[in-house]
Formats: sequence, C-alpha cells, structure tokens
Amino acid sequence: SQQGEEDPQALSIQEGENATMNCSYKTSINNLQWYRQNSGRGLVHLILIRSNEREKHSGRLRVTLDTSKKSSSLLITASRAADTASYFCATDDGGSNYKLTFGKGTLLTVNP
Amino acid sequence: NAGVMQNPRHLVRRRGQEARLRCSPMKGHSHVYWYRQLPEEGLKFMVYLQKENIIDESGMPKERFSAEFPKEGPSILRIQQVVRGDSAAYFCASSPRIDPQYFGPGTRLTVL
Repeated sequence: SQQGEEDPQALSIQEGENATMNCSYKTSINNLQWYRQNSGRGLVHLILIRSNEREKHSGRLRVTLDTSKKSSSLLITASRAADTASYFCATDDGGSNYKLTFGKGTLLTVNP
Repeated sequence: NAGVMQNPRHLVRRRGQEARLRCSPMKGHSHVYWYRQLPEEGLKFMVYLQKENIIDESGMPKERFSAEFPKEGPSILRIQQVVRGDSAAYFCASSPRIDPQYFGPGTRLTVL
C-alpha cells in the first residue's frame, strides 16, 4: 500500500449517521492532515494532527492518530448531505513537513 | 482574507503548445507548493517555492516543466510543449510557515 492510503474507497450512509474513514501510512511522520474535496473542486483543510497527539476535535470532526499502528481515523458525527465529498489524508515523509503525500481518498455519500 | 487564487480555472491546449498556470498565495503566506492530480488519483507533490527561490523540485518532471515565484506577482507553473499525459488538475497551496497548507481551487488542464 502507498503512503497515506484511505479506506474504505467509498462509503454511503444516511443523513444523521456517523461516518468513519481510515488512513494508513508506512513511514514515520511529523503530521497528518485531513482534507475534503467536493467533486471537481479544490481541497479544503479540515484538521491537522501532530505525531505527538492522539486525538483532536473540530466541530463534528474527530481525528485519532495511532503512530504505533501507523494509522489515523476521521469520524464525522451527525452527517449531513453537505458532507458528501471525497476525503483525503495527507502525510509528510517525517523529514520535511511540506512534501505531502495524498491517498486516493474515500468518497463519502450522505443520502438525505 | 481571500484564499489561494488560481487562474485560469480551466485551460485547453493543443499538443505542443505552452501552458502557464498562475497562483496567488493567501496574504501573508510566503511558502507556495504545486501539486498535480491525475484522474482517479491522489495529489502528488511537484515543487516547493519561497519568494525567488526553489526549495524542492523533486516532484517535477525533469523536462518541459518549470516553476517560479518572483519577488512581485504570482507563482507560475509553466509546461512547455504539452502532451496528452499532462492533462490533469494542478493545485497550488500556500502556507505562512510549513503547515498547514491551504489549497486553491485548481486549474484543470486539458490537452487535445
């Protein structure tokens, strides 16, 4: 698997349900970031979690990081139709903080 | 504070022509990054620039591609003699320090 690989590839849920997406990576990192991309649009930065942090919250978002398993999860609670988008995790390479590697993303569909 | 601006949003070129993509970073951001997203793929790092300096161009193809971030004006990604394989979405990001990176809406290049 490649650095910053998300699963599942696609997730379909009903409005109001929670959505959980996972990200695995291979090398040591300094930070891990989650982004959202609406179809055909740019990326919106959601949250950054540093390697010495285990959990972070932002509104309806909760991100966890397990550096021993080299994995992260993004939980969106009480989902809305407007949350429909692709979600990407981005990792650095542990050396530089700037060279981000993105996976192919998880396509989340929230049905009204 | 306007976000990262990119123009044009869509660019169509015939094989052999030149493509110039522009990126204006967010106010106060002195770090600029370019990424390329091929269809069905995640973003791939191309180059990192600061004013008048290329810091890391390890993701740039060796030929036909160049980038600059002059003292005045936007950052430019230039692709000479475009080929069909250059068709992709090109995203620019900026940051005040190394992280987080804030992305623009992208330029979608189509080579006919």
